[in-house]
Amino acid sequence: RKEVEQDPGPFNVPEGATVAFNCTYSNSASQSFFWYRQDCRKEPKLLMSVYSSGNEDGRFTAQLNRASQYISLLIRDSKLSDSATYLCVVNAGNQFYFGTGTSLTVIP
Amino acid sequence: DAGVTQSPTHLIKTRGQHVTLRCSPISGHKSVSWYQQVLGQGPQFIFQYYEKEERGRGNFPDRFSARQFPNYSSELNVNALLLGDSALYLCASSSVGQGPYEQYFGPGTRLTVT
Repeated sequence: RKEVEQDPGPFNVPEGATVAFNCTYSNSASQSFFWYRQDCRKEPKLLMSVYSSGNEDGRFTAQLNRASQYISLLIRDSKLSDSATYLCVVNAGNQFYFGTGTSLTVIP
Repeated sequence: DAGVTQSPTHLIKTRGQHVTLRCSPISGHKSVSWYQQVLGQGPQFIFQYYEKEERGRGNFPDRFSARQFPNYSSELNVNALLLGDSALYLCASSSVGQGPYEQYFGPGTRLTVT
């Protein structure tokens, strides 16, 4: 069983749409959680950390459900520049586990 | 401040050869981690070093080794290259080596093994 599982998509949405990505993790001892964004042939860039109480950064909202071992990312008012692959990341001990990523394309 | 730097950016090797990849962390960061990313997959953890000591190792064969220098830069070495080692090798730096912390990635080294 994979440590982190994500729906690979692709998600194709029109500009201005709201889109949600989900992720599950298998290790109940996981300590910290993140969403990274990766553009084609570039390195992953930290989008936001995910806190137990949920957190928001502009158009982006992240939620964590420890009981269900589930993480989500909501993007509101999608922009063309949001097109990328979104990676769910879980930290357990000294290791970071990445999901395979969810591909998003925002269409004009 | 400069971000994480990696060299070289691209590399082509043949099977059986050896390769050394280099990484310099963000100034002030003491932890470096290495990842392998093959096309269509998320990065896979290879090693973490903190204060020049290995703190974590992923599920990779002994052909993979690494070290961290007193200035916190790091090298990843891969011996006896296989075609399957072709990937983007990413280095990530962080200020601490345990507990919740954020990692910042370099641009990667794209290795092609022929």
